[in-house]
Amino acid sequence: GQQLNQSPQSMFIQEGEDVSMNCTSSSIFNTWLWYKQDPGEGPVLLIALYKAGELTSNGRLTAQFGITRKDSFLNISASIPSDVGIYFCAGRFSYQLIWGAGTKLIIKP
Amino acid sequence: GAVVSQHPSWVICKSGTSVKIECRSLDFQATTMFWYRQFPKQSLMLMATSNEGSKATYEQGVEKDKFLINHASLTLSTLTVTSAHPEDSSFYICSAPVEGNIQYFGAGTRLSVL
Repeated sequence: GQQLNQSPQSMFIQEGEDVSMNCTSSSIFNTWLWYKQDPGEGPVLLIALYKAGELTSNGRLTAQFGITRKDSFLNISASIPSDVGIYFCAGRFSYQLIWGAGTKLIIKP
Repeated sequence: GAVVSQHPSWVICKSGTSVKIECRSLDFQATTMFWYRQFPKQSLMLMATSNEGSKATYEQGVEKDKFLINHASLTLSTLTVTSAHPEDSSFYICSAPVEGNIQYFGAGTRLSVL
């Protein structure tokens, strides 16, 4: 079946640092989505990407849909304490979402 | 953005009882909704696709008789965990697709079976 490889699994960063995470797949997707999940909550959509090569920003967040349609990255600039959480990528195949394993972001005090 | 409401947010029940979880689309109609299960520190696992007016489509390995899904209206899908056991304890999340097939998620339901 289809799989997404999301890395890194976790990140320990200082407040103010930039963050980068990515997802790769062996399959082509038509849509890439990035979600953030806080503990005990459902995932919240951050950015949706629809076209190969598309680069989209949402505040301090920037995500790109890879040219090959098999990968995507998410960057967070100037991290702040409320950025902590788990970030998931998801690729849309037909009507289903294929999920990455998540990247846990921890900000060192 | 679209709002998906899930209720209850947390439920504790005795082993052998049944628990119903509701998922509502508040400002849009959803002919399809999705039910996920999430174990601690893991990603979301799709359990089933709920289809308004017809039977749900279950993923491989998910027991239909254990996890009953009803999607009787365009704004409500329910998941009933029947004869719950401790191994059913988990975080259950529903979602509904909006334009562009973007899925919006409920806040999740934490089920604890004693």
